[in-house]
Amino acid sequence: EVQLVESGGGLVQPGGSLRLSCAASGITFSNSWMHWVRQAPGKGLVWVSEINTDGRSTKYADSVKGRFTISRDNAKNMVYLQMNSLRAEDTAMYYCASNWDYSFDYWGQGTLATVSS
Amino acid sequence: QSALTQPPSASGSPGQSVTISCTGTSSDVGGYNYVSWYQQYPGKAPKRMIYEVSKRPSGVPDRFSGSKSGNTASLTISGLQAEDEADYYCNSYAGSNNWVFGGGTKLTVL
Repeated sequence: EVQLVESGGGLVQPGGSLRLSCAASGITFSNSWMHWVRQAPGKGLVWVSEINTDGRSTKYADSVKGRFTISRDNAKNMVYLQMNSLRAEDTAMYYCASNWDYSFDYWGQGTLATVSS
Repeated sequence: QSALTQPPSASGSPGQSVTISCTGTSSDVGGYNYVSWYQQYPGKAPKRMIYEVSKRPSGVPDRFSGSKSGNTASLTISGLQAEDEADYYCNSYAGSNNWVFGGGTKLTVL
């Protein structure tokens, strides 16, 4: 059974930082491109970031470029999202998802990041 | 990257068919056969229902089908059931490792 389990969310003040983690099992993690997708409360899904299989290639949405960093550890089957200079508009449920056949085939249950003073 | 355009809501009675549209541009929907659809219940993670425009993952009922014409993709649900009431999102590859979602459609089964 495939499982993606996110953690690391919480309440942080504007300008602060959070590091989200996603633990993968049941998939060949080292062969999987991994993504982060977020969803603000009551809003739609928004793609955030992507990392390739060996971690050498990354991509970001314009809204987070320069503030967020995606990384992975294939030895631990983990993917991370370091979020710096957080803003109120970054408040969202953050999902990690694997990508196969140019679609998001598996999703975690999400971790909530709240940016507020 | 601008979000793909979906109608905010759709509805149908049990047994009927409903179609949800997803309109993009020649840089995303029209440029690639990499449109996928996701079903999301309140408080739950999204679930992939369609990929590569019209392919169904194992376990997804064949009542769900996808198609594309030009810059518009569509998700059709036939034989509507109460359990189909959910939010539906389209997604498209937009080139250069960019991805774009639609704004979502809330499906109500009357």
